Amino acid sequence: GNSVTQMEGPVTLSEEAFLTINCTYTATGYPSLFWYVQYPGEGLQLLLKATKADDKGSNKGFEATYRKETTSFHLEKGSVQVSDSAVYFCALSDWSNQGGKLIFGQGTELSVKP
Amino acid sequence: SAVISQKPSRDICQRGTSLTIQCQVDSQVTMMFWYRQQPGQSLTLIATANQGSEATYESGFVIDKFPISRPNLTFSTLTVSNMSPEDSSIYLCSVEDLGESMSSYNEQFFGPGTRLTVL
Repeated sequence: GNSVTQMEGPVTLSEEAFLTINCTYTATGYPSLFWYVQYPGEGLQLLLKATKADDKGSNKGFEATYRKETTSFHLEKGSVQVSDSAVYFCALSDWSNQGGKLIFGQGTELSVKP
Repeated sequence: SAVISQKPSRDICQRGTSLTIQCQVDSQVTMMFWYRQQPGQSLTLIATANQGSEATYESGFVIDKFPISRPNLTFSTLTVSNMSPEDSSIYLCSVEDLGESMSSYNEQFFGPGTRLTVL
């Protein structure tokens, strides 16, 4: 079945450091890929998405490129801020096989120190 | 984007009791889902709430334990029945609007969640 695997956390960075959170997926169809963010004490928010191969999603300085050849959707940001501290979830949605349900990775906690 | 509210935002319940969680959306949506996020864990889909018919449950979740209603296109409830401490989780509803084409590459929007603690 479909699945999502993220790099384990927690990830601790200094402010202005470069961030990469790895995400790989397994899917039998043609999934859409998402990054969601959960700030402390808040609900889940969509950060960015990509719906087909080679698409790049971007938002708030974060980017992720849908790489079909490597089945990856790694999240990157060139210079993190303390306010980026949160839990980040990679997810896929495969309508061709499993309807609209989202399959989430295990989440990666990011802590940015000043 | 849809605005989603959930009630209650949190609750502490006794073992063996039941709690009904409400999810209200500010617009009509095609799809509504219920997820569970256990402490320190990722989100797991419980079921898809279908308007006018029985919910579709994922493996490991059953209607007797998690009955769901969806009387219209803006509202759904999830009941956690006969609770035990293992049911302590955050329960989230999410929505997705397929639009006229009935195909979807749209994102799901999540409610703020209901934090349930069972003693």
